[in-house]
Formats: sequence, C-alpha cells, structure tokens
Amino acid sequence: AQTVTQSQPEMSVQEAETVTLSCTYDTSESDYYLFWYKQPPSRQMILVIRQEAYKQQNATENRFSVNFQKAAKSFSLKISDSQLGDAAMYFCAYRSRRGTYKYIFGTGTRLKVLA
Amino acid sequence: GAGVSQSPRYKVAKRGQDVALRCDPISGHVSLFWYQQALGQGPEFLTYFQNEAQLDKSGLPSDRFFAERPEGSVSTLKIQRTQQEDSAVYLCASSPNDEQFFGPGTRLTVL
Repeated sequence: AQTVTQSQPEMSVQEAETVTLSCTYDTSESDYYLFWYKQPPSRQMILVIRQEAYKQQNATENRFSVNFQKAAKSFSLKISDSQLGDAAMYFCAYRSRRGTYKYIFGTGTRLKVLA
Repeated sequence: GAGVSQSPRYKVAKRGQDVALRCDPISGHVSLFWYQQALGQGPEFLTYFQNEAQLDKSGLPSDRFFAERPEGSVSTLKIQRTQQEDSAVYLCASSPNDEQFFGPGTRLTVL
C-alpha cells in the first residue's frame, strides 16, 4: 500500500522569503501523480501544483515549484516570495494511475507567514 | 463556473442519530469521491463513484456508512446511528480526469 509522509507539522517563513515543505512517499508503482494542495482556514482545498512521475522535469506554477526526486521518493514544494495569503495547511497527495484514482494524503504542514 | 458544493456546511447530531450529507459535483464530472478529515489530519478516502456506479467503498469505516449517487450527479453520504468518533469534516471531490476539485466540506459534530 502507498503511504505519504509529511514530517513538518508546522513551518514559518518571513514575508517575501522562500520556504520548502517536505514530502516523502512509498510506492512500488512506477507511474503515478503527485499533488500539493492548499487548504486555507475554513476554506476548501485548492490545487497548488501537480507532477506526473514519468516526467523528469520539475513542475513550476508561478511562485510555486517542486523538487521531484523519483528514486528517493521525495516531492518537496518550494514557495518563493512568500505572501501573507500563502498561510494555510498544505497537503501532499499521491494518486495511482491504476485502480480507483483515490488520493492518499499526508498529514499536512501548517505554514505561517510572518509580516 | 460553479464549483463543488456541499450541504449542510455544519451539522450537529446527538449520538445515535442518523445524518445525511449532500454533495453537488461540478456538472459533467464523471468521478466523485468522499473523504473523511479528522481534526489535524489529512483527508482519508471513504468511497468512489464513476457515474452512478460505486466502484470502491473500501474506505468506509463501518456498515453504518452508506453512500449513493443514483443519477450519476448528486451524491449523499449517510451515517446511521452516529458515534462520537464520526466527528470530522467530510469532503466531497469531483474529477473529470487526474485532478480532483474539492468542496468546502461538511463539519459533523456528534455529541
């Protein structure tokens, strides 16, 4: 069975600085998807960035980028030029390309942005 | 366009009561998922529909939990004889492909 681990329950970053959130996963599959979702307080989860395992190039979306290390089964999220609106829970998720396509989530990292 | 909506947003139930949680997915999305998110935890999979067919219910924690999507659109998650351990946020997500779009969730509190 696949598992996702986020070892940082909470992180803080100064406004305009860069922060990296860690995620590791375990799977025996070679093809899958990885996602980072943001969950602001009392608001719904929204997709931040996604990575397809067969793509070697790291995904980038504006200030958000990932460091995908397939052999190490690591998928970290880098947020550049942090903004107050980035404060939220961040969840790493794994999705197989087979079966029912359910997401397997980590336990989340709470990001605080300091003014 | 409209996103995934869920109702009610908040539900308080006395232990032993039955509850029904509704999910309106994005129009045209074939896949629909239910997740349970306990306080301070990540969401955990409950069940999955493709159109009206429930293809995976392996995450339902007990036979008190039942989900349906009779016409392949709106879905209802029903919990019978609620227990305190059922207190959580219940998230619904719909998907046209690889990405899932989440609703705001229903926060269930069982007293």
